[in-house]
Amino acid sequence: EAQVTQNPRYLITVTGKKLTVTCSQNMNHEYMSWYRQDPGLGLRQIYYSMNVEVTDKGDVPEGYKVSRKEKRNFPLILESPSPNQTSLYFCASSFPQYFGPGTRLLVL
Amino acid sequence: GQNIDQPTEMTATEGAIVQINCTYQTSGFNGLFWYQQHAGEAPTFLSYNVLDGLEEKGRFSSFLSRSKGYSYLLLKELQMKDSASYLCAVRDHDGGSQGNLIFGKGTKLSVKP
Repeated sequence: EAQVTQNPRYLITVTGKKLTVTCSQNMNHEYMSWYRQDPGLGLRQIYYSMNVEVTDKGDVPEGYKVSRKEKRNFPLILESPSPNQTSLYFCASSFPQYFGPGTRLLVL
Repeated sequence: GQNIDQPTEMTATEGAIVQINCTYQTSGFNGLFWYQQHAGEAPTFLSYNVLDGLEEKGRFSSFLSRSKGYSYLLLKELQMKDSASYLCAVRDHDGGSQGNLIFGKGTKLSVKP
């Protein structure tokens, strides 16, 4: 089944504790991206990747890192999470975008 | 600056037609997308416009006017399951960046019996 998977789906953590949200797609798509969705602000792009080893900043990249070492995986890294990064995160691939199921993150 | 505007909320009656408007101001333009998002779920793709005109797909149609920075999504024969948020998004193409996708805040549509 063609899909985008994200793990974990739910995460509660504390300020400053590094975390990684994984994203994987099995459709051989070159383009992948990360978004966060907050009430009243909508979906905002964090980072995107046009292909392996090619990444670029979206609208809200501060506090996040990404890597694209292989086509299928595009992890999102929060080196030192803060409460303002509490949000719903979506990974997506291709145009039009296929979205993963989302990761709900709470930073205490 | 870059901006996408769409109404925050709309209400319509089952069986009716509703039009959701989207206006955009972006530094570049490389296509406009409409997505549907039910509460608590991921967005799903509805339609794509890159040239002016109307694209029809079943009960859903989308229109684009690049000169006016304007698009609309038309939903016909509304069903209760169409109650969802509808997201307008523009793919930017500024200074070599081809992957920046900018979303509006979404329009929450409520369909009533």
